[in-house]
Amino acid sequence: EADIYQTPRYLVIGTGKKITLECSQTMGHDKMYWYQQDPGMELHLIHYSYGVNSTEKGDLSSESTVSRIRTEHFPLTLESARPSHTSQYLCASRPGAGGYTFGSGTRLTVV
Amino acid sequence: AQTVTQSQPEMSVQEAETVTLSCTYDTSENNYYLFWYKQPPSRQMILVIRQEAYKQQNATENRFSVNFQKAAKSFSLKISDSQLGDTAMYFCAFRASGAGSYQLTFGKGTKLSVIP
Repeated sequence: EADIYQTPRYLVIGTGKKITLECSQTMGHDKMYWYQQDPGMELHLIHYSYGVNSTEKGDLSSESTVSRIRTEHFPLTLESARPSHTSQYLCASRPGAGGYTFGSGTRLTVV
Repeated sequence: AQTVTQSQPEMSVQEAETVTLSCTYDTSENNYYLFWYKQPPSRQMILVIRQEAYKQQNATENRFSVNFQKAAKSFSLKISDSQLGDTAMYFCAFRASGAGSYQLTFGKGTKLSVIP
């Protein structure tokens, strides 16, 4: 059973809407990540955090923003969704030197 | 920068047979980790197996084993006694182990189908 939770699992939303994708983990991991994955494609890092009040952009440019006010919570926000944002978004966390644990993902469709 | 290459976009194997998925990588790092992740259709990505570059012994997890060739920068995954539940996308991934090593670099994945 997953210790990292993403909601919603699926989301269909209109262009221009503001959306927040939720990610929470109960493992006390300091490091958290957001990856974007198009269908059948590899994952690309868009944001990461090393701990509370720490956020950085990843290698793939993204119009989204993130926050890390609490260790367990790492939400991703799109201020104005566009069809080009249609993708799957995967949240992950890890302890200092361990492997990653992934959430189930949010499949976002912007119409 | 690191790159990870999976040259087999799709593979299939008969149930109970053995299959090997290929992965090569390019890095100038000496210390790093390599991973194989499994992503079943519409389900969570899970870690299959992990290898530390400083260990010469190949990692093994039940029916899953790797052939790690550091000099050749090759990291293949062998699945023995394939089961229907092994049907999934398999991603090879790399992470450097030094300070500031913050991300996994993924390959494009191999779609594995296990045929009854």
